[in-house]
Amino acid sequence: AQKVTQAQTEISVVEKEDVTLDCVYETRDTTYYLFWYKQPPSGELVFLIRRNSFDEQNEISGRYSWNFQKSTSSFNFTITASQVVDSAVYFCALRGPNYGQNFVFGPGTRLSVLP
Amino acid sequence: SAVISQKPSRDICQRGTSLTIQCQVDSQVTMMFWYRQQPGQSLTLIATANQGSEATYESGFVIDKFPISRPNLTFSTLTVSNMSPEDSSIYLCSARGQLGGTEAFFGQGTRLTVV
Repeated sequence: AQKVTQAQTEISVVEKEDVTLDCVYETRDTTYYLFWYKQPPSGELVFLIRRNSFDEQNEISGRYSWNFQKSTSSFNFTITASQVVDSAVYFCALRGPNYGQNFVFGPGTRLSVLP
Repeated sequence: SAVISQKPSRDICQRGTSLTIQCQVDSQVTMMFWYRQQPGQSLTLIATANQGSEATYESGFVIDKFPISRPNLTFSTLTVSNMSPEDSSIYLCSARGQLGGTEAFFGQGTRLTVV
């Protein structure tokens, strides 16, 4: 069975602090895909990143970076120099190798960035 | 990427009535999905809707309560029937592209309140 755990339910930081959101996953598949989505107060889910299981390179996009470690089944997300606009709920998700498989979402982490 | 338009964006409905939510994608997609997000919770898949076939429902969701239509490759509807306050949630439409491993795109959601 597949499972995604986001142990941090809520995080509050002050603007310009760095923050890391944790994601731990479980799967028996050797090929799988990991995702991060952002859900601002307006409600839509915004795609942030996809990572394939066979590509362990970390990725940086502006203030965002992702650390994928298969050895610990983790796919953590770091925001550097956080801003108030980063306040949202962030979901980590997992999908198996087959195109038609469902996305398994974690419970989400609510990030509040205070001015 | 795909742009997904969902409407209505929000509604307040009387118990016992039904609401149909529309989802329009700006490109042809094979698979469309409907999710429910109860207040403060993660996303739960209701059903998968493929064009030309009956929707496939997840455990706990039935066609009589959540009938789905998928008349073509760019459009789907979800009806929430005989509503009760427990149906108050955000309902999200999602679509995937043709290639395996691609991310899922989401509509902005329909915020439903049943009174």
